[in-house]
Amino acid sequence: GAVVSQHPSWVICKSGTSVKIECRSLDFQATTMFWYRQFPKQSLMLMATSNEGSKATYEQGVEKDKFLINHASLTLSTLTVTSAHPEDSSFYICSAPEYSNQPQHFGDGTRLSIL
Amino acid sequence: GDSVTQMEGPVTLSEEAFLTINCTYTATGYPSLFWYVQYPGEGLQLLLKATKADDKGSNKGFEATYRKETTSFHLEKGSVQVSDSAVYFCALKGSSGSARQLTFGSGTQLTVLP
Repeated sequence: GAVVSQHPSWVICKSGTSVKIECRSLDFQATTMFWYRQFPKQSLMLMATSNEGSKATYEQGVEKDKFLINHASLTLSTLTVTSAHPEDSSFYICSAPEYSNQPQHFGDGTRLSIL
Repeated sequence: GDSVTQMEGPVTLSEEAFLTINCTYTATGYPSLFWYVQYPGEGLQLLLKATKADDKGSNKGFEATYRKETTSFHLEKGSVQVSDSAVYFCALKGSSGSARQLTFGSGTQLTVLP
């Protein structure tokens, strides 16, 4: 079946580093992908909607200059956390719907730890 | 806007016990409803879904019925196993506007003891 692949699964880096997370749709094309952030023992909070060929749509309160999203092709969206700080440490998950009326497929998530 | 209210956890059960996790929603129109499961350190996996009133979603012994009159989508399983230990999220997808995005409940941690 359709799968969404997310990479890397775990990142540990120093404060001030920029980190790129990739989200790929395998065997289907995704014109839209979603990026979520999940704090420990909490629900998923939608950060932004990634749109192929156009600018991402950010949710209220999410800094677009801090969380850069690029949806360069129909199978790849990237989230770059720029100049990461400890408060950016979290679990980031992407998802993509195969068809507009079908459930979203989720990646396995990326655990980001900023020291 | 759309919202999902989910039974707070954590829930701890013995193996073979009956499970119910309550979920109610607020939405305009006719949303689609989902239950997702998240195992430790992993992303979310779709467990079951229902797209219209009175639909029953089922998978791996889990069931949930879309009740429009009570705006509910409670998750049930007759006999849980240790391997069912995970976090369960109720979610909805609206029928208008940004219909592709999901609105999640807060999640319910389930622990099944042998």
